[in-house]
Amino acid sequence: AQKITQTQPGMFVQEKEAVTLDCTYDTSDPSYGLFWYKQPSSGEMIFLIYQGSYDQQNATEGRYSLNFQKARKSANLVISASQLGDSAMYFCAMREGSPHTGTASKLTFGTGTRLQVTL
Amino acid sequence: NAGVTQTPKFQVLKTGQSMTLQCAQDMNHEYMSWYRQDPGMGLRLIHYSVGAGITDQGEVPNGYNVSRSTTEDFPLRLLSAAPSQTSVYFCASSYSETKANVLTFGAGSRLTVL
Repeated sequence: AQKITQTQPGMFVQEKEAVTLDCTYDTSDPSYGLFWYKQPSSGEMIFLIYQGSYDQQNATEGRYSLNFQKARKSANLVISASQLGDSAMYFCAMREGSPHTGTASKLTFGTGTRLQVTL
Repeated sequence: NAGVTQTPKFQVLKTGQSMTLQCAQDMNHEYMSWYRQDPGMGLRLIHYSVGAGITDQGEVPNGYNVSRSTTEDFPLRLLSAAPSQTSVYFCASSYSETKANVLTFGAGSRLTVL
């Protein structure tokens, strides 16, 4: 079974609108972390937001928020007020285990969602 | 700070040739790792290290060697390149004492094996 599933290969959103990128995960480890990364056409991987499995509140970072539904094993990224510069590939990733051990390097990535922001 | 620096950015090899992808970080991070990115497959872990002298295999280690003699450097060696190793390679590092231990990635190295 896929550990990280991103079911939307591509998404379009109009500038200034909000968009939700879906991510579901599969793990039996009670301690895990979920990450979203942005990859623009230039190719670098840019960290956006993190949610720990024990975090009580959904993570927010500026225009990015993570809709964490633990029972459904979903960690959707919400981008508010989309901008043209948000056009990029977005990857959801999971770390299983503590962030303070070697497993912290072992991220499992989804296949990504390509977001295109239009005027 | 330069962050995570990878060299070269682009490389073309012939089948059977060997090469080393260099990775250096100046953030005093203990953890370092190598990923490869293939079209439609996301990133997959090749090897990782939790500190100088300690390395371990990831999901796709075959055909690659690593060593970690210093905290700063984590080179990836291709011993005998194959066309299946055509990919974009990312080096990453992180610091274990933070809550999230977020990986910081280098800019990537695009390798083509003919």
